Amino acid sequence: AQRVTQPEKLLSVFKGAPVELKCNYSYSGSPELFWYVQYSRQRLQLLLRHISRESIKGFTADLNKGETSFHLKKPFAQEEDSAMYYCALTDYKLSFGAGTTVTVRA
Amino acid sequence: NAGVTQTPKFQVLKTGQSMTLQCAQDMNHNSMYWYRQDPGMGLRLIYYSASEGTTDKGEVPNGYNVSRLNKREFSLRLESAAPSQTSVYFCASMGQGNPYSNQPQHFGDGTRLSIL
Repeated sequence: AQRVTQPEKLLSVFKGAPVELKCNYSYSGSPELFWYVQYSRQRLQLLLRHISRESIKGFTADLNKGETSFHLKKPFAQEEDSAMYYCALTDYKLSFGAGTTVTVRA
Repeated sequence: NAGVTQTPKFQVLKTGQSMTLQCAQDMNHNSMYWYRQDPGMGLRLIYYSASEGTTDKGEVPNGYNVSRLNKREFSLRLESAAPSQTSVYFCASMGQGNPYSNQPQHFGDGTRLSIL
């Protein structure tokens, strides 16, 4: 069985402040982890995946197998980062966390 | 390139009515998925189809049926709608490769379904 936990339903930060979205997972194998984002009135889209080790829109996420975490971070939040963020884990089907709504205030 | 297309975008039903949500993808993807999105519960998998001709239950299949009509199309049917099925429904597809590959899923715009 696999499970993804996002403990924060809502996260509010000021523009220019750092933001971190927490994601913890439980999985019996080697996980494949993703972050998806849903901007207002837009479809869900991939933000980044752990295997790529990339930075997208200033966001990074590091897989910590010891802590079974895949937290999403950005050092300086922007207003356009306001969105719903989902952490997801997959073998061949995705399991999503409950999502975190991020609001970046001016 | 339209990606994943869902119809309709909005629908209001009365309890007990039936309807089919349509989904089509033009990316030649093998796998297709139906999710429902509810506040505080994230996206939950209803049914999926790993390849044409196969369908499997996800996390919350009760009250739904699916049909993988061909490689492009994957429909979701509510035979007798209930208020608990009020939700936003998303269809998604995923590209080929090893079933355990880390290909991302591509999502449609969603269908807002209200059942009175």
